[in-house]
Amino acid sequence: QQQVKQSPQSLIVQKGGISIINCAYENTAFDYFPWYQQFPGKGPALLIAIRPDVSEKKEGRFTISFNKSAKQFSLHIMDSQPGDSATYFCAASERGSTLGRLYFGRGTQLTVWP
Amino acid sequence: EAQVTQNPRYLITVTGKKLTVTCSQNMNHEYMSWYRQDPGLGLRQIYYSMNVEVTDKGDVPEGYKVSRKEKRNFPLILESPSPNQTSLYFCASSLKSGGLIANTGELFFGEGSRLTVL
Repeated sequence: QQQVKQSPQSLIVQKGGISIINCAYENTAFDYFPWYQQFPGKGPALLIAIRPDVSEKKEGRFTISFNKSAKQFSLHIMDSQPGDSATYFCAASERGSTLGRLYFGRGTQLTVWP
Repeated sequence: EAQVTQNPRYLITVTGKKLTVTCSQNMNHEYMSWYRQDPGLGLRQIYYSMNVEVTDKGDVPEGYKVSRKEKRNFPLILESPSPNQTSLYFCASSLKSGGLIANTGELFFGEGSRLTVL
């Protein structure tokens, strides 16, 4: 059973546009929601993360929006650039858990055309 | 430089020939984990370890073994590889304190090991 559902699988955006990637979850015990960015030939790296006590977190051009009641969260990339072309993974975990599990979505391959 | 190092980065092998993918981290992290990445399936956890001599199964442990004899090393063992284990493998580590994932919850990934089983 997939713990975190991510869409779309691929996304093509023109330079300067807004990229939006969505994720949904069912487990209400999840309380930590990171996004990872992966460039070709590299391992994923933490991009930005949010906890459910806030509805939005912004770091530069990257914003996470969180809707606790809908159990959804999304990544918005403003003014998308060719250098943002990568695979993006959303994830979720129970930070109060000692089980050490971080559940990933299936990823979104973003291509930003110049 | 803080890093997670995996070896080999690329490997082609044949069905049934035992192999080990090594993983080492120099950040004194307690938590380590193995993932496999397949097209359309994302990152799936194979095994994880909360500390030395403490390991547990992830979502897809079948056909794999791990050991955690030292804090810095977490090798992935394929006793009898099969073609369905052809994949891109990532080792990751994280700081853990007080029994919980640390405040940032950040996982540090290696650069990956691409394995092909013929």
